[in-house]
This record gives sequence, C-alpha cells and structure tokens, in this order.
Amino acid sequence: KAGVTQTPRYLIKTRGQQVTLSCSPISGHRSVSWYQQTPGQGLQFLFEYFSETQRNKGNFPGRFSGRQFSNSRSEMNVSTLELGDSALYLCASSPGQTTSTDTQYFGPGTRLTVL
Amino acid sequence: GNSVTQMEGPVTLSEEAFLTINCTYTATGYPSLFWYVQYPGEGLQLLLKATKADDKGSNKGFEATYRKETTSFHLEKGSVQVSDSAVYFCALHSPLNTGNQFYFGTGTSLTVIP
Repeated sequence: KAGVTQTPRYLIKTRGQQVTLSCSPISGHRSVSWYQQTPGQGLQFLFEYFSETQRNKGNFPGRFSGRQFSNSRSEMNVSTLELGDSALYLCASSPGQTTSTDTQYFGPGTRLTVL
Repeated sequence: GNSVTQMEGPVTLSEEAFLTINCTYTATGYPSLFWYVQYPGEGLQLLLKATKADDKGSNKGFEATYRKETTSFHLEKGSVQVSDSAVYFCALHSPLNTGNQFYFGTGTSLTVIP
C-alpha cells in the first residue's frame, strides 16, 4: 500500500498570504488528522476529519481551517500567514473506527516558511 | 486536561549503551499510550503502544511499560545502535475522546555514536 503523501513538501510564503496544503491518506483510511510541529512546542493537534466531517479540533485560531473530500483526501488552509506559522505540518491517517487503538500513519510533512 | 511530559534532550549515547527516555502523562481516565519515532527527513512512525495498565509494548528491542501508579511510560532499550538515532515522541489518546486527537510530548532527540 502506498503511504500517506503530502504536497507540497516545501513552501515559502510571506506574511499576510494564504496557503493550502494537501494530504492523501492510505487507501481505505477515513480519518485524517493534522498537526503542527515546531522545535519548542513539539506536535500540536490542529484538527481531525472523518468521513468528510470535522470530528475534533485543537486550540488554533480560525485562520487555520481544513476540509476532507469524499475520497478522504484532505486539505488544510492557513489564511493571513504570520511569522509564527512557520513549521512542519504533518498529516496522519488511520482507519478511524476504533480510535483508541488506531495506529496513526504519518506523512513526511510540508515544511512551511513564512518570511 | 491531557498532557505528556518527556525528558529534555538531546541525548547522546555510545553504541551498545542502555537507553531510557522518561515519559509521564496527565490524563482523564485511562489513556492509551504510544511511542513514535521520527527519523531524519521522515514522518513519525509508531514504535510501540500499550492500551491498559501494566501492559508492555515492545518492538525492535525497545520496550515501555504502562505504569498507572506513577503515570509513566518510559522507553528503554538495552543496547542502542547508530541506526536508532532519531527523535522519539511519547503520546497519549484519551478514552474520553471519540476521535483521533493525540497528545504528544515535545520529543527527545537521540544520537548514537559509534
């Protein structure tokens, strides 16, 4: 099975712009989660989508949004970029039905740099 | 609330040394506990997990035991190799959460030198 793929791998944007990141989960997986990884904060949960519905949301401002399509692919959008949004954005997929024991499969991430 | 605290890194060990990376947690109820590993330039991979108290997760020579009394899930390996150099993350999933919201520690960077 192909793993989780994320595009693009690298992005450079300037403050005030917006950006869209894409994640394709493992075939058959219906849950897609997004995390922000920074050196000081580690991984922080952004949100999770399951069957096209947002099932969980972390403590991030409304500038961070996402969606999931019927084929389970997911996108996250960040509007009005700030310098502090520079991070590695990780996507993880799982089957999604038995979440307490689900293994999360992570993609390689998208490295976003905001100048 | 839910949170995970890991020992600060970086950790540098010689090959064949014993490894311990401490992890403690705060959670409502009895969470499932996980260790993930991130090799350079790659995404996180599940290393091992334990879903109830006194369970021991193990994989690739790594072990961790779910200790409810000390709310800990320390990662150990008896003899590390250069190929174990990576960042290790402890994580929990709360049983009160109906979805896939995991709480991660800040990560511990391990470098093994020959």
